[in-house]
Amino acid sequence: DTGVSQDPRHKITKRGQNVTFRCDPISEHNRLYWYRQTLGQGPEFLTYFQNEAQLEKSRLLSDRFSAERPKGSFSTLEIQRTEQGDSAMYLCASSFTSQGQYFGPGTRLTVT
Amino acid sequence: QKEVEQDPGPLSVPEGAIVSLNCTYSNSAFQYFMWYRQYSRKGPELLMYTYSSGNKEDGRFTAQVDKSSKYISLFIRDSQPSDSATYLCAMSGHNFNKFYFGSGTKLNVKP
Repeated sequence: DTGVSQDPRHKITKRGQNVTFRCDPISEHNRLYWYRQTLGQGPEFLTYFQNEAQLEKSRLLSDRFSAERPKGSFSTLEIQRTEQGDSAMYLCASSFTSQGQYFGPGTRLTVT
Repeated sequence: QKEVEQDPGPLSVPEGAIVSLNCTYSNSAFQYFMWYRQYSRKGPELLMYTYSSGNKEDGRFTAQVDKSSKYISLFIRDSQPSDSATYLCAMSGHNFNKFYFGSGTKLNVKP
């Protein structure tokens, strides 16, 4: 399967814990995006990488969120000191230059 | 005001009907327009991708963009029960640094 993959698919954590999600994009794609989606809403942009450079970050993203794409391949999204409001589906998408984005299956986070 | 507005539905149609899904937007800098289909608890699946104004057809799907009205549409011909899903519109400016999504329209095609 050469699509976008995400790990884990589900994560349950207690409030205050740190969590890290991984995204492996389609191999030739140089652009990588992270989104958050809650029930009944469309994906909300979090951050964007072109190769290893983080070029855009949502103003809505608190300092508890950080993302990396160290070698321009896979990416990680970390949430520190999780809060119940962080419960959502976290989606990763990749694209090549000016083409449309292809999404992964998402990581569903539940903060208890 | 949200950047992209989309009627949440739900929209219920009989099998074989023509479905029209729409989004409006406020930012005249948007140049790239996409439609996605999302099944429950799955990631969005890219259906159509268009640049600037005009029409694009792919099988039973037709995407239309009217930049003068800031209005985009997706038409589904001969709708099938398997088309039942949430449809999301998305758009971006020329640099692709950020994509803006509508909230999605839930479609139900009845057999």
